[in-house]
Amino acid sequence: EIVLTQSPGTLSLSPGERATLSCRASQSVSSSYLAWYQQKPGQAPRLLIYGASSRATGIPDRFSGSGSGTDFTLTISRLEPEDFAVYYCQQYGSSSWTFGQGTKVEIK
Amino acid sequence: QVQLVQSGAEVKKPGASVKVSCKASGYTFTGYYMHWVRQAPGQGLEWMGWINPNSGGTNYAQKFQGRVTMTRDTSISTAYMELSRLRSDDTAVYYCAREVAEKLELWFDPWGQGTLVTVSS
Repeated sequence: EIVLTQSPGTLSLSPGERATLSCRASQSVSSSYLAWYQQKPGQAPRLLIYGASSRATGIPDRFSGSGSGTDFTLTISRLEPEDFAVYYCQQYGSSSWTFGQGTKVEIK
Repeated sequence: QVQLVQSGAEVKKPGASVKVSCKASGYTFTGYYMHWVRQAPGQGLEWMGWINPNSGGTNYAQKFQGRVTMTRDTSISTAYMELSRLRSDDTAVYYCAREVAEKLELWFDPWGQGTLVTVSS
């Protein structure tokens, strides 16, 4: 099973700042199968990025994804108040899916 | 619009079983795999498995094999997840999520609203 490790665990930033979230895989992952989700308290996860770098429908362009192989990044260029949430990366490989443990982006 | 609506919260005793439903609307139910993911309180997301609503074929995460059964009723566009021999650490919110496959890429969208299952004596 491929393990995804997200860092940092918590990111304390102010609105308007740039957020850089990392997702590292224990072995190479196909970019086609790497996605990012946002989850707010009491809500289901929401798709942000698929295929490592494609924004889902309706997702603002301040969200961007990049990376390949074992290292992937989610960047939020300028944090808006509604962006403070938990973010998960996800991958598919060897007939199973795994998620990272999440990065919480909190207001500083 | 594409929507997944899940059944309501459940309270079960240890050793019992629970069956959660997920009703799909706004798309062809048999055209997309359905996954189940759970989230224990304050924890991350854990994939449990999928069902192919067209064939009924399933693939379960190793951790849940022998305890989970995923089924579907195509006449009412509904998927089910049944978990047996419940333990206290099965207390979690259980989500269904549609798998989308386009241009050789895969992702989950949308997700159901979640069903809280509490296991307590």
